[in-house]
Parts: sequence; structure tokens; C-alpha cells
Amino acid sequence: EDQVTQSPEALRLQEGESSSLNCSYTVSGLRGLFWYRQDPGKGPEFLFTLYSAGEEKEKERLKATLTKKESFLHITAPKPEDSATYLCAVQVPRRQGGSQGNLIFGKGTKLSVKP
Amino acid sequence: DTEVTQTPKHLVMGMTNKKSLKCEQHMGHRAMYWYKQKAKKPPELMFVYSYEKLSINESVPSRFSPECPNSSLLNLHLHALQPEDSALYLCASSLLETSGGEQFFGPGTRLTVL
Repeated sequence: EDQVTQSPEALRLQEGESSSLNCSYTVSGLRGLFWYRQDPGKGPEFLFTLYSAGEEKEKERLKATLTKKESFLHITAPKPEDSATYLCAVQVPRRQGGSQGNLIFGKGTKLSVKP
Repeated sequence: DTEVTQTPKHLVMGMTNKKSLKCEQHMGHRAMYWYKQKAKKPPELMFVYSYEKLSINESVPSRFSPECPNSSLLNLHLHALQPEDSALYLCASSLLETSGGEQFFGPGTRLTVL
């Protein structure tokens, strides 16, 4: 069964304290791994796409990496405005009766950055 | 325009009411999605439209009825809902269904069923 697990569930950091969020997955035929940011009461905002092991993407203080079993979202010198829930999702091939574009979401990591 | 808009932002309805949620995008995307999200949970896929045709219905109860009038609009018609249907309803779009990982989400409609 396809599964996506994110850890930790919640992470509290001081401003400037770098850390990493983890997304581990067990899927057959990974078509892509995606990171989203979601602020309370709003829709998720797309951040990164990773397709193959060894791939890295960066945007401001965020850097996403991918291995064959997991992805990390590294946050360097975070600021309070980085506080949000970070969602990891994987796209898998169409299963019987399923969607071609089906995303399987993890439960997210809630990040709080204190000034 | 890289925005997905949703109306209304908030909706309160009784169990006997009929209401509709609306979603619009002008990015030329040909795949559109409806998700349901409960508090502290990830989005849960409900429906997928590809080229204005229903591609997938994730076993959603018939009290939810989707409609895609054209390539830019997506509606979700609601009838005889239950209190447990209260949630944030998100609309999203992607260039194609096969590129469905990179989705643009709207701000959502917060639905409360009394």
C-alpha cells in the first residue's frame, strides 16, 4: 500500500535555528514528490517538485532533497514568517479505478518559528 | 493570472439546504480538483475533472455533485449535507491530469453544516 509519513508532527524553532523536516514514502512507481506550504485557513501553496534520487531544489531559506526512500526539507536560518504546515505529497501511477494525477499527502509538519 | 479563486469564503447551511461552491482559474489548466480538508488533516481528494470531463470520483456520497461548465469553472453542488461534512473545501488546478503533482490551490470555502 502506498504510504507517506512526515516527521516530526510539530517543530518549534527559534528564529535563525536551522532544522530539517522529513518525508518518508513507500510507493510503487514514484512519479514525483512535491512539497507544499499551508497557512491556517488557506489552501496549500506549491513549493517544489522532485523527480529522482539525488535531486535538490532551493527557494530562499528552503532546500528540498530526495533519496530513494525519503525527502528532506531543510530550513536555513528560519524567520517567523516561515511558520506554517509543510505538506509532502507523492504522485503515483494510475491505480485501478484511480486518477492519473492522484496525490498521496502526508499529514504534514507544523512549523512554528519564534522571534 | 496565476490564481485560483473560490466563492464563497464561508458558508453556513442547514441539512435541508441546497448550495453551491464555485471555483475559477484562468491559467489554461485542463485538470481541476475538489478536495475536502478537516482540521489538522491533509487534503482528501474528492473529484478530478480532466478536459471538463469527470475523471475520478473518490467514492464521494451523492449529496456532493460536481459540475464543470467550461475549462475555467468548477462547481460543487451541495444538498442534504450532514454536520460531519463541515470542513474546508479546496479547489485546485493543474496543467494536465498527468502533471497533477504541481497543483495550484484556491483559498478554500469554510463550510459549516448545522
